[in-house]
Amino acid sequence: DIQMTQSPSSLSASLGDRVTISCRASQSIATYLNWYLQKPGKAPQLLIFAASTLQGGVPSRFSGSGSGTDFTLTISSLQPEDFATYYCQQSFATPWTFGLGTKVEIK
Amino acid sequence: QLQLQESGPGLVKPSETLSLTCTVSGDSISSSSYYWGWIRQSPGRGLEWIGNIYYSGSTYYNPSLKSRVTMSIDTSKNQFSLKLTSVTAADTAVFYCAMSRKPYCSGNNCYPAYLESWGQGTLVTVSS
Repeated sequence: DIQMTQSPSSLSASLGDRVTISCRASQSIATYLNWYLQKPGKAPQLLIFAASTLQGGVPSRFSGSGSGTDFTLTISSLQPEDFATYYCQQSFATPWTFGLGTKVEIK
Repeated sequence: QLQLQESGPGLVKPSETLSLTCTVSGDSISSSSYYWGWIRQSPGRGLEWIGNIYYSGSTYYNPSLKSRVTMSIDTSKNQFSLKLTSVTAADTAVFYCAMSRKPYCSGNNCYPAYLESWGQGTLVTVSS
């Protein structure tokens, strides 16, 4: 199985901060990398697919980059509704696997 | 707008079979553009992909669960289902059904599969 490692596991940030979350795959997955946001008690929701393509309706303050094994999710200016847990997921090979998540908390 | 809704027992006894159904509304489950799948989430395992089923009935299971999982699809009811046999306490989790868009190309860009729409999730507890 392809292991997905996210860092950090949690971070504290203030409104308006620029936030960066990393995701590393245990082998090259090209750009077969998706990002999800999950709020407490809710299902994950798709933010970015194919490493850098924003899902419809997702604010432009979110961006994704990377290919191969190293990927980044960036929030350019943190808003109140962005405090949540973020997951990366690979669909390069089955079984699809997820990172353990990065929890973004209010400083 | 596509919506998915899980249904099934919230409590299952150890060694018995967990059965869940996902009802799809807003689009046809017979679309050739989608996979239909199950993901579970627990504090101990995080998010775990269980498997996908295509409208034709083709299935793709996580090898870690393959011996215990069966997925099926009922196009007449726009539903798909999950069965997980011989459950233990370790199978306690929130189970989500989801629609994945299949890999596709648009113009010069090709895109991988991704989990586009999710149900709200249903907690299944395994306990006697």
